[in-house]
Amino acid sequence: EPEVTQTPSHQVTQMGQEVILRCVPISNHLYFYWYRQILGQKVEFLVSFYNNEISEKSEIFDDQFSVERPDGSNFTLKIRSTKLEDSAMYFCASRGRGFNSPLHFGNGTRLTVT
Amino acid sequence: AQKVTQAQTEISVVEKEDVTLDCVYETRDTTYYLFWYKQPPSGELVFLIRRNSFDEQNEISGRYSWNFQKSTSSFNFTITASQVVDSAVYFCALSEARRGNNAGNMLTFGGGTRLMVKP
Repeated sequence: EPEVTQTPSHQVTQMGQEVILRCVPISNHLYFYWYRQILGQKVEFLVSFYNNEISEKSEIFDDQFSVERPDGSNFTLKIRSTKLEDSAMYFCASRGRGFNSPLHFGNGTRLTVT
Repeated sequence: AQKVTQAQTEISVVEKEDVTLDCVYETRDTTYYLFWYKQPPSGELVFLIRRNSFDEQNEISGRYSWNFQKSTSSFNFTITASQVVDSAVYFCALSEARRGNNAGNMLTFGGGTRLMVKP
């Protein structure tokens, strides 16, 4: 079964550094998402992306965050200047056509900011 | 605003016991979708079920069953004859049904219930 793949599985970075989290959504999917889960807490929506633009974003998704689909297959989340509180598991998700199709999540990237 | 509440933060059962995970939601939409996801210790989110607000029929899939009650805004999940491999955090989630090309389909998650099944 096709799946969403995320790389790397774990990234450690120093505060203030830029990080790029990478995702390859399922190939025929059209809608793409990033979610975040701080350790031990609930999964929170960050941003949705369709037709090469952001559809919706949460208050967490401030100017430090950006998303891009640079080549038609990858979907990236960039954090410009990481803070300690950005440490979390970041999940990419995608879904197909039809507003009721379920989200398929990747295995996540654990980001640790030191 | 949407809200999902999973009042049970942690449940511990012995293998072969049945267990029910509660989920209560709030939404002003008349059309919406409810989901359950499983997060095993390895960390990934595994889709279990989606239910739309017009379909109140209960569903059974093997040892899993779901009870959707619109009158009480609940979407409870029962595991029959639990197994150690069922140990995980289970999340209930809600999304609005939006039409149009920019349908965000944002999922609002509950806080999760950690299920521990002991041998």
